[in-house]
Amino acid sequence: GAGVSQSPRYKVAKRGQDVALRCDPISGHVSLFWYQQALGQGPEFLTYFQNEAQLDKSGLPSDRFFAERPEGSVSTLKIQRTQQEDSAVYLCASSRTTGADTEAFFGQGTRLTVV
Amino acid sequence: DAKTTQPTSMDCAEGRAANLPCNHSTISGNEYVYWYRQIHSQGPQYIIHGLKNNETNEMASLIITEDRKSSTLILPHATLRDTAVYYCIVRVWAAGNKLTFGGGTRVLVKP
Repeated sequence: GAGVSQSPRYKVAKRGQDVALRCDPISGHVSLFWYQQALGQGPEFLTYFQNEAQLDKSGLPSDRFFAERPEGSVSTLKIQRTQQEDSAVYLCASSRTTGADTEAFFGQGTRLTVV
Repeated sequence: DAKTTQPTSMDCAEGRAANLPCNHSTISGNEYVYWYRQIHSQGPQYIIHGLKNNETNEMASLIITEDRKSSTLILPHATLRDTAVYYCIVRVWAAGNKLTFGGGTRVLVKP
């Protein structure tokens, strides 16, 4: 596709429910990032994939958060037993290479509301 | 990671140039300066990046001081659609080289 695509755009979950958020990066992009953005704040890094390898998961806030990218393209961020503090916009970004001189492109995000 | 300091907010006049400053006094030699912006309810949009030379593209110009401790993003002719939060980011060359966002500058372009 032309850009990074995320689905769903909006998700309402009851507290305790499991959710799965999908990211379709730009075709051929090696690097994939997940970010969490709370209301009124800048995006916060969650995790990074180089192809199918998850090389950095230092930003995942708890063991309820899990991400995968099994074939090195589509990625899924899963949140188990959602809590109200998980309410945020979840952003995915992809980059053509692993180099710091290559820009990352962001999707529109998934707005998760936990009630 | 090198930290950046930006004004919290600024107003600009439509049709005039908007100059957005950023301080990154602890930047290292292999770290890039990136600028993104985020319009309400959208994902961050890439604007421009540079290492030490000034850069220009169809959206903006990036001026980096010779000592690399600060930079300025220039929007040559601001329009109402440029109203957004602008983030200045120093990107480390490391595994994953993630973008670390700060608070950004909330720019309001006024008619």
